[in-house]
Amino acid sequence: GQNIDQPTEMTATEGAIVQINCTYQTSGFNGLFWYQQHAGEAPTFLSYNVLDGLEEKGRFSSFLSRSKGYSYLLLKELQMKDSASYLCVPSGGYNKLIFGAGTRLAVHP
Amino acid sequence: DVKVTQSSRYLVKRTGEKVFLECVQDMDHENMFWYRQDPGLGLRLIYFSYDVKMKEKGDIPEGYSVSREKKERFSLILESASTNQTSMYLCASSRARTNEKLFFGSGTQLSVL
Repeated sequence: GQNIDQPTEMTATEGAIVQINCTYQTSGFNGLFWYQQHAGEAPTFLSYNVLDGLEEKGRFSSFLSRSKGYSYLLLKELQMKDSASYLCVPSGGYNKLIFGAGTRLAVHP
Repeated sequence: DVKVTQSSRYLVKRTGEKVFLECVQDMDHENMFWYRQDPGLGLRLIYFSYDVKMKEKGDIPEGYSVSREKKERFSLILESASTNQTSMYLCASSRARTNEKLFFGSGTQLSVL
């Protein structure tokens, strides 16, 4: 079957670091995306991992372990504008993205 | 930057009406997609198209049809709208390569009364 497990909600303080974990099960695996979605807006691309390890992009980093079916998104130096939903999206093959409900992150002053 | 434009931000229709949702992208992408997003659920794929006049059913195609007569335009059609089709509809496009990122339109919030 196909399943994505990530926390429904998280809260954090401005300036802090937060890690959003994601475990997944897919029939076939071809990489994993993270998207950010602000309330009432469309998702926007954050990162893509296909090999094991850490990909760093500014304040955001994403990690993948294919053998464990595990990924995380690390957000550093949190800003108020980082309050959004974060979607862990594994790819089960060509044009087979699997979207979960995402993690709603609230950043407080 | 890629721009994906959806014709309406908010739409209110009555049960039984035929509804057209239009989507246009300006970056010559081969792939185009229609998703719906409901509170507490992930995006669910309705239909996608990988070329002009080509279409593939997604996970929830029932009650919907699509049209792609030109490469830049992908239309979603609700033949007879029902209240359970009240949702946020998101169009997306991508290049025709494995695991290309999706570019989304700003969405259409459809209410069927």
